Amino acid sequence: SQQGEEDPQALSIQEGENATMNCSYKTSINNLQWYRQNSGRGLVHLILIRSNEREKHSGRLRVTLDTSKKSSSLLITASRAADTASYFCATASQGAQKLVFGQGTRLTINP
Amino acid sequence: ETGVTQSPTHLIKTRGQQVTLRCSSQSGHNTVSWYQQALGQGPQFIFQYYREEENGRGNFPPRFSGLQFPNYSSELNVNALELDDSALYLCASSRGGVGLAGATDTQYFGPGTRLTVL
Repeated sequence: SQQGEEDPQALSIQEGENATMNCSYKTSINNLQWYRQNSGRGLVHLILIRSNEREKHSGRLRVTLDTSKKSSSLLITASRAADTASYFCATASQGAQKLVFGQGTRLTINP
Repeated sequence: ETGVTQSPTHLIKTRGQQVTLRCSSQSGHNTVSWYQQALGQGPQFIFQYYREEENGRGNFPPRFSGLQFPNYSSELNVNALELDDSALYLCASSRGGVGLAGATDTQYFGPGTRLTVL
């Protein structure tokens, strides 16, 4: 079963704009991770944020986590055509190494 | 590139057949997890192997089984294939078992095996 729900399911923006994707989850977590997937290929790890962190940055990526609302957001700034992909959030609960994924957001960057 | 490899890349089988998928973990990693990703869905956890033992299983029937070898590579076997088994099968490697010091939280995924069941 999926724990996370990404919103929106699909997002289409112009190159150079910022893209924001949201993720909600249901149970307590140890950490939350964001992955990118291009055209049904393998998942690429983007960033991990722990339950005691509120914000994290990596290059053009910014992730926030609100454990009181059980939600996270991924912001991609100054988007590029190469950012076109599906983005998934995945949660890891305390004591469990398995990741529970949402259904993903399909991001399209238009040149 | 994560250093995790999977074979084969694509596979076509017919209903009722059996299939074996293979995964080589990243150097230094002793844990392999398998996920099934149906079209348009997020990956779903099948099971995990740590030091050659099954270390957690998702909601999949017993006809999904696995192995981990001393070099930490792994196999996923699926018996009596059904049409709904058509999916992308992903393996991910990481270091450490549940709750152990030094265990990593990040899982590194391979490129996947696309299985089509006709």
